[in-house]
Amino acid sequence: GEDVEQSLFLSVREGDSSVINCTYTDSSSTYLYWYKQEPGAGLQLLTYIFSNMDMKQDQRLTVLLNKKDKHLSLRIADTQTGDSAIYFCASGGSQGNLIFGKGTKLSVKP
Amino acid sequence: EPEVTQTPSHQVTQMGQEVILRCVPISNHLYFYWYRQILGQKVEFLVSFYNNEISEKSEIFDDQFSVERPDGSNFTLKIRSTKLEDSAMYFCASSDGGARNQPQHFGDGTRLSIL
Repeated sequence: GEDVEQSLFLSVREGDSSVINCTYTDSSSTYLYWYKQEPGAGLQLLTYIFSNMDMKQDQRLTVLLNKKDKHLSLRIADTQTGDSAIYFCASGGSQGNLIFGKGTKLSVKP
Repeated sequence: EPEVTQTPSHQVTQMGQEVILRCVPISNHLYFYWYRQILGQKVEFLVSFYNNEISEKSEIFDDQFSVERPDGSNFTLKIRSTKLEDSAMYFCASSDGGARNQPQHFGDGTRLSIL
């Protein structure tokens, strides 16, 4: 079935780069997404990449897509304490819905 | 920036009671969705809605659930005869098109606690 997998935890020091990885099964998704969830808050659309692209850069965020391996990554440059949150990878499902991973909890240490 | 708004932020209900969760999608969006996230688990799709009818639903969305767009701005999820396992965070989302075409924007969610 359709599935998205990602590691559950990542800890980095402030100022370092963070890389969050994700694999997915549905290769027909038009877009692949990264959502951010801060404690007690909703799902904030952070960035997304069109499935025909390999890379997208948006300020401190870089998204890399390896469509052959069905691998998506999110790199956050110069990670700040305010980046501490849960990051969800999502692909488009066959029902027009989103298929989410379990989320990666990013902890940024000062 | 326009956003999806959900009310209430927290709802506590006795088991067996009916509950209605409310959402105001982004005004020019045409597709509406409900998802839920049980504590510690993945965000799961419940239902999508377009042109005043359900377009897709998951196996979770059984007869106890219903959705409605009662007017031009609100989109509601009704749960009849709530069960303990309905306790979860419920997210509403909207998009210009289906997920394969346009990104979905989410509200802050309603935390539903069934006692």
